[in-house]
Amino acid sequence: AQKVTQAQTEISVVEKEDVTLDCVYETRDTTYYLFWYKQPPSGELVFLIRRNSFDEQNEISGRYSWNFQKSTSSFNFTITASQVVDSAVYFCALSVVSNDYKLSFGAGTTVTVRA
Amino acid sequence: DAGVIQSPRHEVTEMGQEVTLRCKPISGHDYLFWYRQTMMRGLELLIYFNNNVPIDDSGMPEDRFSAKMPNASFSTLKIQPSEPRDSAVYFCASSRSVDSNQPQHFGDGTRLSIL
Repeated sequence: AQKVTQAQTEISVVEKEDVTLDCVYETRDTTYYLFWYKQPPSGELVFLIRRNSFDEQNEISGRYSWNFQKSTSSFNFTITASQVVDSAVYFCALSVVSNDYKLSFGAGTTVTVRA
Repeated sequence: DAGVIQSPRHEVTEMGQEVTLRCKPISGHDYLFWYRQTMMRGLELLIYFNNNVPIDDSGMPEDRFSAKMPNASFSTLKIQPSEPRDSAVYFCASSRSVDSNQPQHFGDGTRLSIL
């Protein structure tokens, strides 16, 4: 079975602070894919990043960065110098071949950035 | 490029009525997914199609739910008869494939309220 845990339910920060969202996953598959999605207050789900299990390079995209560590089964997401527009629910998700690559979502972390 | 298009954005109806949700996937995407999002259960996969054929409907909650994909550019999710507990946001998503690291792109969702 596969599982994604986002232990942080809500995070509140002041603008320009950094915020790190934790994601811990469980799977017995050796090939798997990890994703982050953003759901702003308007409700749509926006794809942010995907990572496969063979690529442990960290990635940076503007103010966003991701830290993938297989040793701890974690795929954490950091927003640097947060802005009010970053306020959203962020979901981590996992897909594995043994589950036909169906996405398993974490419960989500609500980020509120205050001006 | 047009994203996944869902209609209607909002639907309010009385219990017992038939509800039809519509989705147009991204052109060229062979996979189409229907999800339901609720506070209690988070994001759940209901059913997905590959090349218009239903592959896995194990997430469909009960016989009142049905989904079709008559062609590559259109899918429907129908609830008949609807019940208040069906109130949720329903998302449609599409992807080029599932086994090559391709992300699922989501529509804006349909917010369904059954009174």
